[in-house]
Amino acid sequence: DQQVKQNSPSLSVQEGRISILNCDYTNSMFDYFLWYKKYPAEGPTFLISISSIKDKNEDGRFTVFLNKSAKHLSLHIVPSQPGDSAVYFCAASFNSGNTPLVFGKGTRLSVIA
Amino acid sequence: EPEVTQTPSHQVTQMGQEVILRCVPISNHLYFYWYRQILGQKVEFLVSFYNNEISEKSEIFDDQFSVERPDGSNFTLKIRSTKLEDSAMYFCASRAGNWNTGELFFGEGSRLTVL
Repeated sequence: DQQVKQNSPSLSVQEGRISILNCDYTNSMFDYFLWYKKYPAEGPTFLISISSIKDKNEDGRFTVFLNKSAKHLSLHIVPSQPGDSAVYFCAASFNSGNTPLVFGKGTRLSVIA
Repeated sequence: EPEVTQTPSHQVTQMGQEVILRCVPISNHLYFYWYRQILGQKVEFLVSFYNNEISEKSEIFDDQFSVERPDGSNFTLKIRSTKLEDSAMYFCASRAGNWNTGELFFGEGSRLTVL
């Protein structure tokens, strides 16, 4: 039962261009969404989040867009840099005290210099 | 910068042996988690822990698994009798409070190899 889906296992982008990573979810009760970045042999690190009351959240080069009606969110990285090459996980949660994150399978981003 | 630390970084064990994975969460955090990632697969939730008790667990977290916070700083995951399919990277994580006030901080993981 994949409640959070990242349908693209990998993505390659030229340095300086925009990277767009997509995520779909099935549970309409999710109301908080996060993106994590993971380098090999390291734990996931938090990147950016968005509450369901918003449709956009921006932090520097990273912007997350949320389309609740489509149950879809995306992460935009612009401009992409070689150091952005990593696996990106989309995660979702209920906004209560202690609800575990549900992760997607991840998308491996390769930024080519 | 505060961080979640995990030991050991890699453990190799024989099937049927007991394994204890250790974690030191960030000191003022209240919620603690174990996740795992089997090679090439998604990060899967195992268990959450709050106020000295398990608050939620997944179907993966069966009777072979247990967690403990023995001394107010360490948070351990015990696998009583390891199976081959327990081979994975195990991540400990902690957070301060409600999602809006703090994201989940992960440790670097403990790789468990069961032979």
